[in-house]
Amino acid sequence: AQSVTQLGSHVSVSEGALVLLRCNYSSSVPPYLFWYVQYPNQGLQLLLKYTSAATLVKGINGFEAEFKKSETSFHLTKPSAHMSDAAEYFCAVSVGQGAQKLVFGQGTRLTINP
Amino acid sequence: SQTIHQWPATLVQPVGSPLSLECTVEGTSNPNLYWYRQAAGRGLQLLFYSVGIGQISSEVPQNLSASRPQDRQFILSSKKLLLSDSGFYLCAWSVWDRGLSNYGYTFGSGTRLTVV
Repeated sequence: AQSVTQLGSHVSVSEGALVLLRCNYSSSVPPYLFWYVQYPNQGLQLLLKYTSAATLVKGINGFEAEFKKSETSFHLTKPSAHMSDAAEYFCAVSVGQGAQKLVFGQGTRLTINP
Repeated sequence: SQTIHQWPATLVQPVGSPLSLECTVEGTSNPNLYWYRQAAGRGLQLLFYSVGIGQISSEVPQNLSASRPQDRQFILSSKKLLLSDSGFYLCAWSVWDRGLSNYGYTFGSGTRLTVV
């Protein structure tokens, strides 16, 4: 069965610094991978997704992620952190045509220091 | 455009009382529908998903049930709530047949349920 592991439940960076949130997946078939952001007491907003096209995926708010099959990774990055990036970030995987299940990692809480 | 509505936003219920949370989708047809729960400080757990009217798949044994009486309506229910049912409940939908470029999951704004 497919799964994702997010390394680090909490990440803290300074404003203007590089943001790197790690996600590794496990899947026996080519996966579809997603990053979502959640602000307090809100639903999830899609940042970006990988669906077997370009391995470097650009999303909203300046975020991007690179699919690396050899490393089974899909890490999320942003060159320069902004205070508004403080939130919970979730990596997720779904598998197969007509994929019916989205499996989430445990989430990473990103804190931005002024 | 497609929208998803979920209500109520917050709910406080006593132990042993019934529960009904409703989710409706607009602007699409025959979506896959999902209920997720997010317990405090934890990730999201898939509770139920549905690929069509009356078709419900349960992911984990629990005190909850789901129903899909109409194509774009998904209901989460309980006959008697437990303290452990507290959490943040999220409804979501996805549509596959529009191709990979449109493939994705869209989430509602969530319901914060507190069982007291």
